[in-house]
Amino acid sequence: DTAVSQTPKYLVTQMGNDKSIKCEQNLGHDTMYWYKQDSKKFLKIMFSYNNKELIINETVPNRFSPKSPDKAHLNLHINSLELGDSAVYFCASSQQGRQTQYFGPGTRLLVL
Amino acid sequence: AQTVTQSQPEMSVQEAETVTLSCTYDTSESNYYLFWYKQPPSRQMILVIRQEAYKQQNATENRFSVNFQKAAKSFSLKISDSQLGDTAMYFCAFMKHGSGTASKLTFGTGTRLQVTL
Repeated sequence: DTAVSQTPKYLVTQMGNDKSIKCEQNLGHDTMYWYKQDSKKFLKIMFSYNNKELIINETVPNRFSPKSPDKAHLNLHINSLELGDSAVYFCASSQQGRQTQYFGPGTRLLVL
Repeated sequence: AQTVTQSQPEMSVQEAETVTLSCTYDTSESNYYLFWYKQPPSRQMILVIRQEAYKQQNATENRFSVNFQKAAKSFSLKISDSQLGDTAMYFCAFMKHGSGTASKLTFGTGTRLQVTL
């Protein structure tokens, strides 16, 4: 009965590789987000989708590409991984008009 | 742009005592929402409490309450009867009123709270 789930929970990879992180929510929400938490624990919005449409796209390198196949899923694909991409990536969801965002467990990405 | 400041990087409190975590923010918006999220060592982000700026009454959730001072742009979190399970990073966050691009959370840098015996 997990509300917001992410796979994988841990990801260790080499520089230059391409990787994807998947997110799914079963709350019936129509808006999903990706946040990045850096090594100093600072959390920052990256992207947001509402009904499969991109509505927030912060200053993020274009090596990061989100994809929302449907309202319940939001995936994050990262090309040509760099050391600085090492972080915890959180997916979240909410219902438009309701402000509370529910977070997934996070994916810890380590780029070697 | 909105900014959120948490001036206490770390705090410590004894079990059963009360502790207050500070948060200030800067915005030109008149209507917005404020949140406290908790991140225990498990890494999960858990909503603790939320406050609508148009409501004068301070929000409370069991042992957690806020002191919302709109004019001062201050939003502190009070934890009463602290428990060991309250040990976590606490993040203050701001959201503009509205949908679409307004719906992003802007976080502070966090306060690490340690509850001791």
